[in-house]
Amino acid sequence: GQSLEQPSEVTAVEGAIVQINCTYQTSGFYGLSWYQQHDGGAPTFLSYNALDGLEETGRFSSFLSRSDSYGYLLLQELQMKDSASYFCAVRREDTGRRALTFGSGTRLQVQP
Amino acid sequence: NAGVTQTPKFQVLKTGQSMTLQCAQDMNHNSMYWYRQDPGMGLRLIHYSVGEGTTAKGEVPDGYNVSRLNKREFSLRLESAAPSQTSVYFCASSESTDGYTFGSGTRLTVV
Repeated sequence: GQSLEQPSEVTAVEGAIVQINCTYQTSGFYGLSWYQQHDGGAPTFLSYNALDGLEETGRFSSFLSRSDSYGYLLLQELQMKDSASYFCAVRREDTGRRALTFGSGTRLQVQP
Repeated sequence: NAGVTQTPKFQVLKTGQSMTLQCAQDMNHNSMYWYRQDPGMGLRLIHYSVGEGTTAKGEVPDGYNVSRLNKREFSLRLESAAPSQTSVYFCASSESTDGYTFGSGTRLTVV
C-alpha cells in the first residue's frame, strides 16, 4: 500500500520561512508532488520532484530525498495569502502511475 | 478560459435519490479523475479514466459509477445517495506526469 505523513498544522509569521515535511511509504516511487488549497477552493499544483534535490519556483521550493523517503515544501517570505492547506502526493502503482494518492494535508496559518 | 468545469457547485439530496455530477475539460488531457474530500482526510480517489471509453476503480469506488463519454467529459453518478456520501467532490485532469488541474468542486449534502 501507500501512505504519506505530514503535520496537520503549522503556524508562522508574515515574512518568515516555513518548512512542511512529508514522509511516504510506497512500492514503486515515481516522484513527489505538492498542491496548495485555500479554504473553499480547489487544489492547485505547486511542484513535482522526481529526482533528489531542491527545485525552486519563486518563493516556493521543494526538496526530495528518495533514500530517506522524505520531502519538504519550503515557503519563503511568507505572505498572508499563503495561509492554506498543503498536500503532498505520490503516484499510485495500482493505477499504472496515473493517479495520485494524497496526504491528509498541512494547514498553514500565517500570522501578521 | 482553459480548465476543468464541474456542475453543479452545490447540491442537497435526500437519502436514496440519484444524481450525476458533470465534469468537462478543454485541455485535451487523456486522464481524468474523481476524488472526494472529507475534513481531515485529504483527497481520496473514487474512479479514474486514462482515455475515452476506459474507466477504473480507485480507492473508494463503492456507491459510485462513472462514464467517460468522450475525451472532454467524465461524469460521476450516485445511484442511491447515502449520508456517508456527504462530501466535496473534485474532478481533475492531467497529461502523463504533469500536475493535475482540478475543477472548483461540488459540495454535496445527503440528508
